[in-house]
Amino acid sequence: EDQVTQSPEALRLQEGESSSLNCSYTVSGLRGLFWYRQDPGKGPEFLFTLYSAGEEKEKERLKATLTKKESFLHITAPKPEDSATYLCAVPFGNEKLTFGTGTRLTIIP
Amino acid sequence: EPEVTQTPSHQVTQMGQEVILRCVPISNHLYFYWYRQILGQKVEFLVSFYNNEISEKSEIFDDQFSVERPDGSNFTLKIRSTKLEDSAMYFCASSRDRLISYEQYFGPGTRLTVT
Repeated sequence: EDQVTQSPEALRLQEGESSSLNCSYTVSGLRGLFWYRQDPGKGPEFLFTLYSAGEEKEKERLKATLTKKESFLHITAPKPEDSATYLCAVPFGNEKLTFGTGTRLTIIP
Repeated sequence: EPEVTQTPSHQVTQMGQEVILRCVPISNHLYFYWYRQILGQKVEFLVSFYNNEISEKSEIFDDQFSVERPDGSNFTLKIRSTKLEDSAMYFCASSRDRLISYEQYFGPGTRLTVT
């Protein structure tokens, strides 16, 4: 069964404490993996697309990596403004994105 | 920077009433989508729309739902007879091309509350 699973559900870090979020997927023929950030009561904000195993993308304190079975979102020296829910999504079908349940990240000053 | 906009930001309606949620996608985008997110749950795909017709829909998108692009800028989602379980955030998204090549950009959402 095609699936997207994220872990942990929630993560609390001290400001400056680096960590990683995980997104594992089962799909035949990956056509991309998308990372989004979602603030409370807001729409998902696009961060990265990864297409092939070994690919990496960076934006400020975030780096996304992809293997054949999972993706990691590494956050380096996070700041309180990085607090949000981070969603990963994979296309199943022609156009629809299937989202994971997200990781709620809290950075404590 | 271009963005997807949605109106209203919050809609309260009574069960059985019709609601129309409105979206203005990014201007050079060709594919349009609706998703919903029930409080505390995943973002779920509802429907995709291209060239004035539905290209894909989920099992959630039953006969109570319809979409329309009434003019060159707006994209709407209509729920004919709302139910309590339709209460959710509804997100519109657009992309320049098909998902396989291009990212989907989301609007801020409409919070629909059915009483």
